[in-house]
Amino acid sequence: RKEVEQDPGPFNVPEGATVAFNCTYSNSASQSFFWYRQDCRKEPKLLMSVYSSGNEDGRFTAQLNRASQYISLLIRDSKLSDSATYLCVVILGAGGTSYGKLTFGQGTILTVHP
Amino acid sequence: DAGITQSPRHKVTETGTPVTLRCHQTENHRYMYWYRQDPGHGLRLIHYSYGVKDTDKGEVSDGYSVSRSKTEDFLLTLESATSSQTSVYFCAISEATWAEAFFGQGTRLTVV
Repeated sequence: RKEVEQDPGPFNVPEGATVAFNCTYSNSASQSFFWYRQDCRKEPKLLMSVYSSGNEDGRFTAQLNRASQYISLLIRDSKLSDSATYLCVVILGAGGTSYGKLTFGQGTILTVHP
Repeated sequence: DAGITQSPRHKVTETGTPVTLRCHQTENHRYMYWYRQDPGHGLRLIHYSYGVKDTDKGEVSDGYSVSRSKTEDFLLTLESATSSQTSVYFCAISEATWAEAFFGQGTRLTVV
């Protein structure tokens, strides 16, 4: 089983739509969680960190459910410029062989069309 | 944007030749990472460094070596390049093991 799993999509949505991505992680000792965005042929860029209390940044809302070991990203009022690949990233806590290293999901492709 | 520079940005090399990729940071971050990204595999960790002269292997380290003689520079060397090492290579930095990482612009390497 992969350490971090995402639905690869692709998700094709019209402008203005609300879209949600989910990500599951296998190691309960994971300590930090992020969503990154990657545009075609570019480097991944941090979109937002994810906290147990949930956090919001404009049209983007991220949530963490530690009990079920999943992370979500909600995008409201989608824009054409939101088209990208969204990467779920988990950092394992102390005690594991992957301690402190980012582990990436395979990414979810989003296309927003007019 | 975080101060990370990768060089070269593009390289074509022949099978069997050595290749060195450079990552330079101006953020004074302790942790540096090399990833490769391939279709169907996502981003995979090659090697990482947790300080000057302190490095360790990632999940796909075979055929690669690294060195870090200064805080700001992390070098990735392919001792004898193979076609399977054709990929996009990203360097990343972070200030703590629990913190987010920032990525360089990537190096596209083609081994022919």
